[in-house]
Amino acid sequence: EDQVTQSPEALRLQEGESSSLNCSYTVSGLRGLFWYRQDPGKGPEFLFTLYSAGEEKEKERLKATLTKKESFLHITAPKPEDSATYLCAVQAEGSARQLTFGSGTQLTVLP
Amino acid sequence: DAGITQSPRHKVTETGTPVTLRCHQTENHRYMYWYRQDPGHGLRLIHYSYGVKDTDKGEVSDGYSVSRSKTEDFLLTLESATSSQTSVYFCAIRDQINSPLHFGNGTRLTVT
Repeated sequence: EDQVTQSPEALRLQEGESSSLNCSYTVSGLRGLFWYRQDPGKGPEFLFTLYSAGEEKEKERLKATLTKKESFLHITAPKPEDSATYLCAVQAEGSARQLTFGSGTQLTVLP
Repeated sequence: DAGITQSPRHKVTETGTPVTLRCHQTENHRYMYWYRQDPGHGLRLIHYSYGVKDTDKGEVSDGYSVSRSKTEDFLLTLESATSSQTSVYFCAIRDQINSPLHFGNGTRLTVT
């Protein structure tokens, strides 16, 4: 069974205080790992896809990295508008049509 | 929102009544999904479709059925709603097997 665990559950940062969110996964074979951002009352918004260990993707203050067992979402010098819940999901070789999601990390950036 | 419309956005219904949620897309994408989101559980897959009239179950499919008679519409039906089905329901679409999912803004369903 595919499993995705995100930590921490919640994170409070001061504006400008960099940090990282963790997504650890157990799958039979990774086809892809996806990061999403979700604002209250909205659907998840796609950020990145990572396909193989060692791959990195960047967008503004966000950088996602991938190893064989986990992914990190690094947030550099965050701003209050980065406050949201960040979700990761995996697509496994054995269930390629589906994505399995973690429970998310709720990030709050204080001004 | 990637051309996805969910309706209704909010619904309150009573235990034992049937409920149908609708997802409509304008992207002509092949794959459509229904997820539910609950505190502490994250997003869990209910059913998905990989083409017109082609559907399959997800991890929490009990008590739910789906239909897809047209590419653009994917319906989720609760035959007899229960309080445990109180949740936020999200529809998602994607065009290819390795593409990311794109989500609608959800339907908040309350079963009293």
